[in-house]
Amino acid sequence: QLQLQESGPGFVKPSETLSLTCTVSGGSINSSSHYWGWIRQPPGRGLEWLGNVFYSGRTLFNPSLKSRVTISVATSKNQFSLKLSSVTAADTALYFCARHDSGGHLDYWGQGTRVTVSS
Amino acid sequence: EIVLTQSPDFQSVTPKEKVTITCRASQSIGSSLHWYQQKAGQSPKLLIEYASQSISGVPSRFSGSGSGTDFTLTINSLEVEDAAAYYCHQSSSLPHTFGQGTKLEIK
Repeated sequence: QLQLQESGPGFVKPSETLSLTCTVSGGSINSSSHYWGWIRQPPGRGLEWLGNVFYSGRTLFNPSLKSRVTISVATSKNQFSLKLSSVTAADTALYFCARHDSGGHLDYWGQGTRVTVSS
Repeated sequence: EIVLTQSPDFQSVTPKEKVTITCRASQSIGSSLHWYQQKAGQSPKLLIEYASQSISGVPSRFSGSGSGTDFTLTINSLEVEDAAAYYCHQSSSLPHTFGQGTKLEIK
């Protein structure tokens, strides 16, 4: 059974960079049929797609965040990562990693990790 | 960016009732529309893919329909465990977008 697990600091100061890692177990990230994505959910609100990465390193981003987002993959560790720079309180959210099937739907999700931006 | 608008935002329903949630896209997305259930404190769970295709392990009371711009998620004979937020998601074009969610409360 494929599992995804997010990890990273729960608190980040304004203007700093948020860094999260997603570790994939029970399957390989080296899949030609899947992308690996990040989605966030501000408190009490809906879901926002941030971007995804292919095992080759090819990335796609949400244009609303494109200049601040970096997504990378470490195939040897079966991990992929999110970096979001210049964070503000508006970036406070529950951050999920998930697997995109070839058609784009998200079939496996991590449990989510809460990140609070506060000084 | 394709905007997905769900209706209603909130619904209070009784067990065994039939529930219909709609999702309207701001432009045609074919069948690239997926539905998720998110229970309190949990991550979203895929319920329906490509508008109407069922997912293994998901109860048969959940079904989807539609294409183009108008889509429907139907829950037949609602159960108490179906209390959750439901989201639609389009993968037709970038960026991927989600509906604002529909919260179902069980009376």
